[in-house]
Amino acid sequence: GENVEQHPSTLSVQEGDSAVIKCTYSDSASNYFPWYKQELGKGPQLIIDIRSNVGEKKDQRIAVTLNKTAKHFSLHITETQPEDSAVYFCAASSEYGGSQGNLIFGKGTKLSVKP
Amino acid sequence: ETGVTQTPRHLVMGMTNKKSLKCEQHLGHNAMYWYKQSAKKPLELMFVYNFKEQTENNSVPSRFSPECPNSSHLFLHLHTLQPEDSALYLCASSQDQRQPQHFGDGTRLSIL
Repeated sequence: GENVEQHPSTLSVQEGDSAVIKCTYSDSASNYFPWYKQELGKGPQLIIDIRSNVGEKKDQRIAVTLNKTAKHFSLHITETQPEDSAVYFCAASSEYGGSQGNLIFGKGTKLSVKP
Repeated sequence: ETGVTQTPRHLVMGMTNKKSLKCEQHLGHNAMYWYKQSAKKPLELMFVYNFKEQTENNSVPSRFSPECPNSSHLFLHLHTLQPEDSALYLCASSQDQRQPQHFGDGTRLSIL
């Protein structure tokens, strides 16, 4: 089955700097890769996602890149702000197979943005 | 407001109690999910319902019993739980199993 590894587990940056979180996956059939942000006391919130037919997607200060050959994808946050502090999760899923559409999550990255 | 509401937000129960967690979605979605979130572990998928039919049971112990009476509501019935079942239980929904999932804020469950 699919296995998703996420690094680093914790990341501390200065306000205004960029933050990068990386994930690798094992199942070459995976074709959907969402990123979630979880603030304290809240559930995970979808912030951006990418499908395997594109290599990069941007939404304001957030971007995701996908390398299908290497089976890894990354979240990039530019001009970080204190409100970006949260736990970020990557996930992967495949539209095919017995567990159709089921998301497999990484363990999460706790991002701290210092003012 | 995520469109997915979970109640209660916190629950403390003894190992012999019976309780239920409730999830309601106002997004018109057809698929609903239960996840378990424990510290320093990835989110674990427990159950999946699609158009009220259970499509996935991820080897979950029988002390957890899901119920999906309609596409908007999902319950998780709890009975004779163990201390290791203490966790955050998250509900999610999606238009179908291939579309993005939207999560509620979870129920923090503590087993005494």
